[in-house]
Amino acid sequence: EVQLLESGGALVQPGGSLRLSCAASGFTFSNYAMSWVRQAPGKGLEWVSAISGRGGDTYYGDSVKGRFTISRDNSKNTLFLQMNSLGAEDTAMYYCAFRGTSGRGYWGQGTLVTVSS
Amino acid sequence: DIQMTQSPSSVSASVGDRVTVTCRASQDISTWLAWYQQKPGKAPKLLIYAASSLLSGVPSRFSGSGSGTDFTLTISSLQPEDSATYYCQQTNTFLGTFGQGTRLEIK
Repeated sequence: EVQLLESGGALVQPGGSLRLSCAASGFTFSNYAMSWVRQAPGKGLEWVSAISGRGGDTYYGDSVKGRFTISRDNSKNTLFLQMNSLGAEDTAMYYCAFRGTSGRGYWGQGTLVTVSS
Repeated sequence: DIQMTQSPSSVSASVGDRVTVTCRASQDISTWLAWYQQKPGKAPKLLIYAASSLLSGVPSRFSGSGSGTDFTLTISSLQPEDSATYYCQQTNTFLGTFGQGTRLEIK
């Protein structure tokens, strides 16, 4: 069974940093590109970042480019999102997710990031 | 970046009505498209993937169609529990960008 378990969400002050993790199981992690998706309170879903299976290619949404860094450790089946220079606009539930071979998407349950003084 | 344009932004319909939501991609994504349903306070729920494949357990009144740049989500006979916000998402190389969402209200 595919499982994605996010962690690392917390209350952080504006300008601060946070590192999210996503522990994956139930599939061959290194075979799949992984994504981070977020949803701010009362707002729509926003794709944040993605990384190729081997980690050589990374992609970012315009709103996080230059501040967030996606990475992965295939030996530990874990995905990361390093978030720097956080602002109130980054307050959201963050989900890790991937697209299976058939096109079906798999999502974790999310981890909450709150940026506030 | 692939942009997704979804319409309408909101719709109000009666129980039993047929409802259609459309999604347009800024470039050809073949059939790499998913549809999600989200109710307030809940995580998004996958309904359809690969443009037209219904996830197991999703009622058959939901269907998806399209390929290339134009896609459609159809609810054939609206039920009260279908009140929610619906999102399309391109899944061309990875789970990527979303449409803006369509809020569906039951009259």
